[in-house]
Amino acid sequence: GIQVEQSPPDLILQEGANSTLRCNFSDSVNNLQWFHQNPWGQLINLFYIPSGTKQNGRLSATTVATERYSLLYISSSQTTDSGVYFCAVLVTGNQFYFGTGTSLTVIP
Amino acid sequence: DAGVIQSPRHEVTEMGQEVTLRCKPISGHNSLFWYRQTMMRGLELLIYFNNNVPIDDSGMPEDRFSAKMPNASFSTLKIQPSEPRDSAVYFCASSLTPGRQYFGPGTRLTVT
Repeated sequence: GIQVEQSPPDLILQEGANSTLRCNFSDSVNNLQWFHQNPWGQLINLFYIPSGTKQNGRLSATTVATERYSLLYISSSQTTDSGVYFCAVLVTGNQFYFGTGTSLTVIP
Repeated sequence: DAGVIQSPRHEVTEMGQEVTLRCKPISGHNSLFWYRQTMMRGLELLIYFNNNVPIDDSGMPEDRFSAKMPNASFSTLKIQPSEPRDSAVYFCASSLTPGRQYFGPGTRLTVT
């Protein structure tokens, strides 16, 4: 099956710093989503981004499908950004494959 | 708008008991998914339905697990009998567009 790798696995930032999270996938995909799992366990949609670039406030994402990767940018990080960030890819049908996540801790 | 609703939010049960988890998808969504999240295995898809019909249940661990979707607004995931290794957070998600899923808050199951 498809492999979805995320890096780095863990990241600690000072509040206000910027960061880039990466998601590599081993095969062509039809769709890709980024999620944030907050410290209470809730999975929150960030971006639905099969290709191209999208921005939402301090967050933006870019997917280069031909090169099989996606990037999530977090600018001016805040403590509320802490949690685990997952990318999930759709290969066929309606089945997602999740990466192992990047655990982000933002310290004040 | 209400998101995906799951109940109960927490469940503690003894080994051997039957457990039923419930999910109400977002109104109008035609696909529903059940996931399990553990530290060891991360997020795993257990089963998904399209238009109330099970499409792929290859992720269901074994015969102790069963899922139903009797109508477009309700689904259940049942474990009978439950075992300690079933302890996990179980998420339900729904979608209208393939690849764009919305997750419920999850049910934290503890089997002692």
